[in-house]
Amino acid sequence: GNSVTQMEGPVTLSEEAFLTINCTYTATGYPSLFWYVQYPGEGLQLLLKATKADDKGSNKGFEATYRKETTSFHLEKGSVQVSDSAVYFCAPSPQGAQKLVFGQGTRLTINP
Amino acid sequence: NAGVTQTPKFQVLKTGQSMTLQCAQDMNHNSMYWYRQDPGMGLRLIYYSASEGTTDKGEVPNGYNVSRLNKREFSLRLESAAPSQTSVYFCASTDFSGPPPYEQYFGPGTRLTVT
Repeated sequence: GNSVTQMEGPVTLSEEAFLTINCTYTATGYPSLFWYVQYPGEGLQLLLKATKADDKGSNKGFEATYRKETTSFHLEKGSVQVSDSAVYFCAPSPQGAQKLVFGQGTRLTINP
Repeated sequence: NAGVTQTPKFQVLKTGQSMTLQCAQDMNHNSMYWYRQDPGMGLRLIYYSASEGTTDKGEVPNGYNVSRLNKREFSLRLESAAPSQTSVYFCASTDFSGPPPYEQYFGPGTRLTVT
């Protein structure tokens, strides 16, 4: 079946640290891949996306590369800020399915 | 554009009461979704509507009903609320008429407590 495994949280880092949040997935066919972010008290919003192997999605200093051989889509940022504190969700969309499959989310806290 | 709107923002119910959560989108999307979010469990799909006039069960449909009133509106009804339905509910929409990827747009959520 379709599933997502995300890095367990919570993750706490200091400002300007390097961030990696791991995500691996199993999904039907050739999925599109998404990272969503949820700031406190808000709904989810798209952070970045990728549609084919070796595509790199990027936004707000975050990056993730579609790795088909390892079925992974790890989220990275070189220097985090306090404003990046949020919950991050990895979500593949299986090919031909009009749905997203969500991971459990990773809560990130950045300390000044 | 308001995007996806949800009402109410907060609601407290007693066990056995009923209520309807409202969702509307102004992006002319054909597909709409209802999710619930519980601590440590991510988002789980309750029901979805691929197009006006169709609805399908998701992962956790028990205890809920939905109505796709028109292309804009998709409501979620709890007929007899239970404490296990205490959660944050999100509505989302997307448009599958073009090529992928199909980003879903989310509403701000409804925080429901059942006592």
